[in-house]
Amino acid sequence: ETGVTQSPTHLIKTRGQQVTLRCSSQSGHNTVSWYQQALGQGPQFIFQYYREEENGRGNFPPRFSGLQFPNYSSELNVNALELDDSALYLCASGTRAPTSYNEQFFGPGTRLTVL
Amino acid sequence: AQSVTQLGSHVSVSEGALVLLRCNYSSSVPPYLFWYVQYPNQGLQLLLKYTSAATLVKGINGFEAEFKKSETSFHLTKPSAHMSDAAEYFCAVSFNIQGAQKLVFGQGTRLTINP
Repeated sequence: ETGVTQSPTHLIKTRGQQVTLRCSSQSGHNTVSWYQQALGQGPQFIFQYYREEENGRGNFPPRFSGLQFPNYSSELNVNALELDDSALYLCASGTRAPTSYNEQFFGPGTRLTVL
Repeated sequence: AQSVTQLGSHVSVSEGALVLLRCNYSSSVPPYLFWYVQYPNQGLQLLLKYTSAATLVKGINGFEAEFKKSETSFHLTKPSAHMSDAAEYFCAVSFNIQGAQKLVFGQGTRLTINP
């Protein structure tokens, strides 16, 4: 158990819809990162939030956006869903380490299916 | 740019046999390296990490990995496989982008244990 929770566990949407995924970080953690894991692939970095602002983004379009709240919760929003957005979405919480490394703790993920 | 290559998408060993999962990395700076395990329908669990201390790193569940700079490798081993080791294993390298800590994962290796 990492203390990081995600909801919902599973979600089915249709193409063009919008979706919000939620993550609850460990108490005391000030960063949250989101990853997309397509079937049979390794996770891909979407972005990281620190102090409620986006702080680094991977190769994902602007229709992927996020929010981070002071109460250790966060959201991943995806607009105009496409079939290729079907994946397991993982959030990871940790503490900021700009020049070194601090462990990130992963949640169990939300499996999104886009039909 | 940082990248990770896992050699072999599937590895099958007998119970009690040696487990060897291969990982090679590319990094322009001294890397932080990790092995994660993912059980079906679950998130990622950290097995072990290399953060520039000892080159032989011991992790949980009897796994260990050796950092070899000359070979740019970080292979994962376990002397004696157990049925409960059956899972997907991911090698990852961490680096900082715009102050955010990003994990770059390999494609994963599915480990099957034969009785």
